[in-house]
Amino acid sequence: QVQLVESGGGVAQPGGSLRLSCAASGFNFGSFGMHWVRQAPGEGLEWVAVISSDGLYKYYGDSVKGRFTISRDNSKSTLYLQLNSLRAEDAAIYYCAKDTYINGVRRFDPWGQGTLVTVSS
Amino acid sequence: DIQMTQSPSSLSASVGDRVTITCRASQYISTYLNWYQQKPGKAPKVVIYAASSLQSGVPSRFSGTGSGTDFTLTISSLQPEDFATYYCQQSYSTPPSYTFGQGTRLEIK
Repeated sequence: QVQLVESGGGVAQPGGSLRLSCAASGFNFGSFGMHWVRQAPGEGLEWVAVISSDGLYKYYGDSVKGRFTISRDNSKSTLYLQLNSLRAEDAAIYYCAKDTYINGVRRFDPWGQGTLVTVSS
Repeated sequence: DIQMTQSPSSLSASVGDRVTITCRASQYISTYLNWYQQKPGKAPKVVIYAASSLQSGVPSRFSGTGSGTDFTLTISSLQPEDFATYYCQQSYSTPPSYTFGQGTRLEIK
């Protein structure tokens, strides 16, 4: 079955960096776009970034534009998110999600279990 | 940017009740609207996509309606496993920006 497993979360200092990974299995990874979504403690969901199946197209939410970079390695079935210039407000659980796009309809399905990023000095 | 507003923010109901959650978009989004269910400590999962299509494996007591700017998620007869937080999400924006609503927490009365 489709499985997404995030890793790489941890504690980073303000202004610091982290690299998150999302290992995919159970589907043809190179044929699907992928998303990152985050959720601050006790808060709602915030879409972070999307990357096309071939990695050519990338889009970001306004709050992370210029600081975060989404990428992928289709040979390793792995999605990445590079987090730079971290701020306190970037602290959250980061989820990866598969972009399911059929007949013009898009949904995020499924999601990984998430990885926690803490930003603290 | 398209803003998504859900109401109510929280809702108390009993097993067997019929409940409706509303989501309003700040501009026209056709039927590019999904609903997700999230239980504590778990990842979200889609329950309704394209405003009214039931995700495979989701019980038929869940239904969605709406188009344009106003949408509803209805649970016809609440079951214990339905108590969770529900989020709407638009996928209409170009360039892509997949905004979520702020969530509706459905609690046991």
